[in-house]
Amino acid sequence: GAGVSQTPSNKVTEKGKYVELRCDPISGHTALYWYRQSLGQGPEFLIYFQGTGAADDSGLPNDRFFAVRPEGSVSTLKIQRTERGDSAVYLCASSSTRSSEQYFGPGTRLTVT
Amino acid sequence: KQEVTQIPAALSVPEGENLVLNCSFTDSAIYNLQWFRQDPGKGLTSLLLIQSSQREQTSGRLNASLDKSSGRSTLYIAASQPGDSATYLCAVRGVDSTGTASKLTFGTGTRLQVTL
Repeated sequence: GAGVSQTPSNKVTEKGKYVELRCDPISGHTALYWYRQSLGQGPEFLIYFQGTGAADDSGLPNDRFFAVRPEGSVSTLKIQRTERGDSAVYLCASSSTRSSEQYFGPGTRLTVT
Repeated sequence: KQEVTQIPAALSVPEGENLVLNCSFTDSAIYNLQWFRQDPGKGLTSLLLIQSSQREQTSGRLNASLDKSSGRSTLYIAASQPGDSATYLCAVRGVDSTGTASKLTFGTGTRLQVTL
């Protein structure tokens, strides 16, 4: 079946602009996670959704970052007033339940110029 | 706060050699541990997942061990091939106050190159 998909695959934006990154999880997966991976580093947790609600948003770096999952499937990560330090690969993962194995998408590479 | 360290940061070996990648973590209260492979510009591919109650998992030429009490895991790759060249990431799944699985904490990875 289809895996986790993310769009766009690449996004270049200017400093100060607003961006939205989209994640389509595996069908039927109730848990959805966002991670951020900077160059040469491992992914870092941002936020976790169980269904429509954000169960853990402790990894969001500041209030410029926000994520939604209004119908419990597709999720959008929103970044306001982008900064050059936001440049990274943003990874999405989903799992069938909270405790089961996470499956990762290919990521969105965000470059802020 | 859980911290995950991977040694070495980079490794180059000739084809056919057996090799070991190391991962250590600071908090032994884990739900499970997972090894991933990441190819340049790509997402993560899960290789092996070890539950906290298990000591090892095997898949083909890969064997992962877990010593939870000492906070260590190793990934053993037998008879390495050029196609094994990639970055290998270790990730630890924590446990929250209710005993439920929480977030993954990743190491910085080991970049492996297998030469002909």
